[in-house]
Amino acid sequence: NAGVTQTPKFQVLKTGQSMTLQCAQDMNHEYMSWYRQDPGMGLRLIHYSVGAGITDQGEVPNGYNVSRSTTEDFPLRLLSAAPSQTSVYFCASSSLGAGGPKDEQFFGPGTRLTVL
Amino acid sequence: GNSVTQMEGPVTLSEEAFLTINCTYTATGYPSLFWYVQYPGEGLQLLLKATKADDKGSNKGFEATYRKETTSFHLEKGSVQVSDSAVYFCALSDQAGTALIFGKGTTLSVSS
Repeated sequence: NAGVTQTPKFQVLKTGQSMTLQCAQDMNHEYMSWYRQDPGMGLRLIHYSVGAGITDQGEVPNGYNVSRSTTEDFPLRLLSAAPSQTSVYFCASSSLGAGGPKDEQFFGPGTRLTVL
Repeated sequence: GNSVTQMEGPVTLSEEAFLTINCTYTATGYPSLFWYVQYPGEGLQLLLKATKADDKGSNKGFEATYRKETTSFHLEKGSVQVSDSAVYFCALSDQAGTALIFGKGTTLSVSS
């Protein structure tokens, strides 16, 4: 079981470039999410998905797109990178209970993104 | 709206000292409460949780009690080790259950 994997581990972009952060999980979890972690800000939810074909916005969705074509994968796309998107990005997954994601979310190791 | 407030760090302790990291929350209804830990260079891992008032979560010598009357979920450990050095996040699950809402994190540094 690899758990939640993320690629790349590090990335440097120039302003205006686009890229996709990859996230995959092998635990058959229905729920997947993307967070960004900034110093002094904790983690903030960008987008989440409760199953293939279903996505929704979190607290800070602007500038990011997601799609969920399979249960395993949940890529995060930056369409036109901005310096404000410099951050560490974490993908997480969990199974779904009656009211939403079950208590424990499993996090990937993160992608450190710098936008110049 | 829902929010989590935890004590500012860094917290610097000597090995075997007692640890308390304060966490208070604002939420409607009855959220579940969590402590996550992030070791250097890694993602977050669930440390412990409590799903209803007066529940005590515990793991690896850490514990926290869900106190609805004071809207608190303080993390404690009786004797910290150097290996406990990490960033600790208090979190709650929102009413809809769609997201975790995190505090800003508290950095703990333990020296021998």
